[in-house]
Amino acid sequence: SAVISQKPSRDICQRGTSLTIQCQVDSQVTMMFWYRQQPGQSLTLIATANQGSEATYESGFVIDKFPISRPNLTFSTLTVSNMSPEDSSIYLCSGSDTTGELFFGEGSRLTVL
Amino acid sequence: RKEVEQDPGPFNVPEGATVAFNCTYSNSASQSFFWYRQDCRKEPKLLMSVYSSGNEDGRFTAQLNRASQYISLLIRDSKLSDSATYLCVVYSSASKIIFGSGTRLSIRP
Repeated sequence: SAVISQKPSRDICQRGTSLTIQCQVDSQVTMMFWYRQQPGQSLTLIATANQGSEATYESGFVIDKFPISRPNLTFSTLTVSNMSPEDSSIYLCSGSDTTGELFFGEGSRLTVL
Repeated sequence: RKEVEQDPGPFNVPEGATVAFNCTYSNSASQSFFWYRQDCRKEPKLLMSVYSSGNEDGRFTAQLNRASQYISLLIRDSKLSDSATYLCVVYSSASKIIFGSGTRLSIRP
């Protein structure tokens, strides 16, 4: 199984600023994903992070707002740009291995004031 | 209609009870199915995969009904520690993974 380290675990940010969340996997995973989870809600997929190329975004999410990098198989970043209070949420990165099992980071709890 | 639907609950059952919940999916071509467990303020973790033949892991039994397009999770002899949110996960394709909204389960002493 893979272990995913995600940081920061939480942050409080001012409106209009940007925050970059980092995700490091201890072994190679085939796919990496970024999710958002509002309190009491399920996970919403933001995008699939593709190694060495642009991420694949889900409907309602755009690269200008959520730029994603994945320079290699074990590392990815998600930036939440020009934040507003509506961006307050938990952001989770995950990776899947060849069995299809998803492993999650512990999440980054973001509060935008 | 959502691609994956779950009864949100909450299910509130006494310790020792048997509880079951379902998850329906709309894409008949969906390939893989899983149940994840998420504790409060924690990340989701894999509980078990769901196979066509059904599978059992201790007190937990997962089944897939392709004809009716649903998966189920049965928990026998429930423990207080089973209290959590249970998420069904459906792979519509190798790269499209859809989470259900989760079913909240609360076990009372």
